[in-house]
Amino acid sequence: QVQLVESGGGVVQPGRSLRLSCAASGFTFRNNDMHWVRQAPGKGLEWVAVIWYDGSNKYYADSVKGRFTISRDNSKNTLYLQMNSLRAEDTAVYYCARDKMGGGTGPFDYWGQGTLVTVSS
Amino acid sequence: QSVLTQPPSVSGAPGQRVTISCTGSSSNIGAGYDVHWYQHLPGTAPKLLIYGNINRPSGVPDRFSGSKSGTSASLAITGLQAEDEADYYCQSYDYRVSGPNYVFGSGTKVTVL
Repeated sequence: QVQLVESGGGVVQPGRSLRLSCAASGFTFRNNDMHWVRQAPGKGLEWVAVIWYDGSNKYYADSVKGRFTISRDNSKNTLYLQMNSLRAEDTAVYYCARDKMGGGTGPFDYWGQGTLVTVSS
Repeated sequence: QSVLTQPPSVSGAPGQRVTISCTGSSSNIGAGYDVHWYQHLPGTAPKLLIYGNINRPSGVPDRFSGSKSGTSASLAITGLQAEDEADYYCQSYDYRVSGPNYVFGSGTKVTVL
């Protein structure tokens, strides 16, 4: 069965960096676009970034553009999110999610359990 | 401020029917982009409930149904059950020149009375 397992969350000071990972299994990882979605405490879901199945294209929400970088290693079935210049407002649970269709409008058919990132001094 | 607007909460007794609206604009739902719906229990992975406006993934009960018209979409839950108590989010796509932009609704908490 499809499994997505995030890791790498934790407490980090404002301005510092953190890298999240998402280990995928149960499907052919290199065939699917992948996303990061986050949920701040008490807030709704917010899309963060997408990377195409082959890594050829990457797109970001305006709130993280220039600070976050999405990447993938198809040989390791792993998705990454490098987060730099972190701010208090980046505090959230970060989910990785698989794109069902690819190259379009979603949906996100499988999600991980999430990893918590807390940005605080 | 979410691009798609949902009511903060809806409630119903077991067995009743509830609906959740999702209102967008001409740059997202009204532009013809599909709407998808997710069920989210705190501390768990969100679950895809409806995709492509009306389609249910395998394993989702037919008590859940979706519809779309103009700049809005709706999720209906019939025969409400205690296990349906959760947060529900709509999701679509919003056009921008710089590339894909996936947008979520503000979320609706369903309470089973």
